[in-house]
Amino acid sequence: KNQVEQSPQSLIILEGKNCTLQCNYTVSPFSNLRWYKQDTGRGPVSLTIMTFSENTKSNGRYTATLDADTKQSSLHITASQLSDSASYICVVRDTGRRALTFGSGTRLQVQP
Amino acid sequence: DGGITQSPKYLFRKEGQNVTLSCEQNLNHDAMYWYRQDPGQGLRLIYYSQIVNDFQKGDIAEGYSVSREKKESFPLTVTSAQKNPTAFYLCASSIEGQGNTEAFFGQGTRLTVV
Repeated sequence: KNQVEQSPQSLIILEGKNCTLQCNYTVSPFSNLRWYKQDTGRGPVSLTIMTFSENTKSNGRYTATLDADTKQSSLHITASQLSDSASYICVVRDTGRRALTFGSGTRLQVQP
Repeated sequence: DGGITQSPKYLFRKEGQNVTLSCEQNLNHDAMYWYRQDPGQGLRLIYYSQIVNDFQKGDIAEGYSVSREKKESFPLTVTSAQKNPTAFYLCASSIEGQGNTEAFFGQGTRLTVV
């Protein structure tokens, strides 16, 4: 069964600090992995997409990595801001059913 | 503006009633999806449609029904058969046929059974 596991479940950091969120998946055959940001009570918004051949991709202060061999991805947030407070969801697509498997998310709280 | 719109934002339902959640998109996307989100869980797929007049059951379709009469619209009905309907419902759309395509989400509808 395809699964996506994220850690930690929740995280509290001080404004200006860095943090790293983890995503492990068992989805096969792998197509791509996306990181979404979801503000409370809103729909998720895509931050970045990783395909099989990509190891690192940046989008402003967000940097995603992918290790397709170990089936792990991380999202690193640099110099956190209060507006980064949200849930971050890892989503993996398979090439077979082309279905999306969602992780349960990491709830990040940035405090002043 | 192009986008995907869900309504209402909040919805209250009495037990035994059917309710319909609206989802409209003007992105010209072929595929549309309905997900359910519960606290501490990942989004779970209820129904999806890849083309007008066709739709498929997702992982948790029991107690739900959909229609796809127009490309722009994919309403979800939560029936009285759904035993635990209180949740946050998200609608999404994407360009079907492209593996790396992004799913665009609406702002969600929070349904509460009273």
